[in-house]
Amino acid sequence: AQKITQTQPGMFVQEKEAVTLDCTYDTSDQSYGLFWYKQPSSGEMIFLIYQGSYDEQNATEGRYSLNFQKARKSANLVISASQLGDSAMYFCATPTEAGTALIFGKGTTLSVSS
Amino acid sequence: EAQVTQNPRYLITVTGKKLTVTCSQNMNHEYMSWYRQDPGLGLRQIYYSMNVEVTDKGDVPEGYKVSRKEKRNFPLILESPSPNQTSLYFCASNDLPRANTEAFFGQGTRLTVV
Repeated sequence: AQKITQTQPGMFVQEKEAVTLDCTYDTSDQSYGLFWYKQPSSGEMIFLIYQGSYDEQNATEGRYSLNFQKARKSANLVISASQLGDSAMYFCATPTEAGTALIFGKGTTLSVSS
Repeated sequence: EAQVTQNPRYLITVTGKKLTVTCSQNMNHEYMSWYRQDPGLGLRQIYYSMNVEVTDKGDVPEGYKVSRKEKRNFPLILESPSPNQTSLYFCASNDLPRANTEAFFGQGTRLTVV
C-alpha cells in the first residue's frame, strides 16, 4: 500500500531564506503522482505543486519547486525566499493504487520569522 | 470561480443529535470525497463517490453516511455523532483521481461533539 512519510514535525526559517520540506514515499505503482498542499492556520487546503513519476524535469510553480529523486523515492518541497505568509502546515500526498483517495503524510509545520 | 463549498464552517453539537455537513462543487467533477483531519494523523478518507449514486467507503467510514443524488452535491451525514467524531472535515473533488489532477478542497468544517 502507498505510504507517505514526512519526518520533520516542525521547521523554522528566517524570511528570505530557502527551506526544504522532506517527503519520502512508498508505492508499487509504476505511474504515480506526488502532490504538495499548504494548510494555513485558517484551515483550508491549498494546492501548491504536482510531480508526475514520468516527468523528466522537476516541477516548479513560482517560489515552489519539487526536488524529485525517483531512485531515493523522495519528493521534497523547496520554498525559495521564504515569506511570513509561508508559515503553515505542509502536506505531501499521493493517490492510492486504486486512485480513489489521496494518502497524506502527517505534515510539517513551517514557521517563518522576520 | 471554481470552488468547493462546505457548510457550516464551524459546528458544536451534542452527542446523538443527527447532523449534516453539506458540500457542493461547481466544476462538474465526477469524483468527490470526504476526509477528516486529526492532530498527528494527517487526513484520512471517510467516503468517496465516483459519480451520481455511486459511493464507497474510505479508510474510516464508521459512524458516517453519504449520498450522491446530484453530481454537484455530496453531503456527509452523522446519524448519531459521538465525541470521537470531533475533527476537521474536508470535502474534495477531482476530475478523476487517476488523472493526477489536483484535488479541490472545501474550506473545512470544524466539528465539536460534546
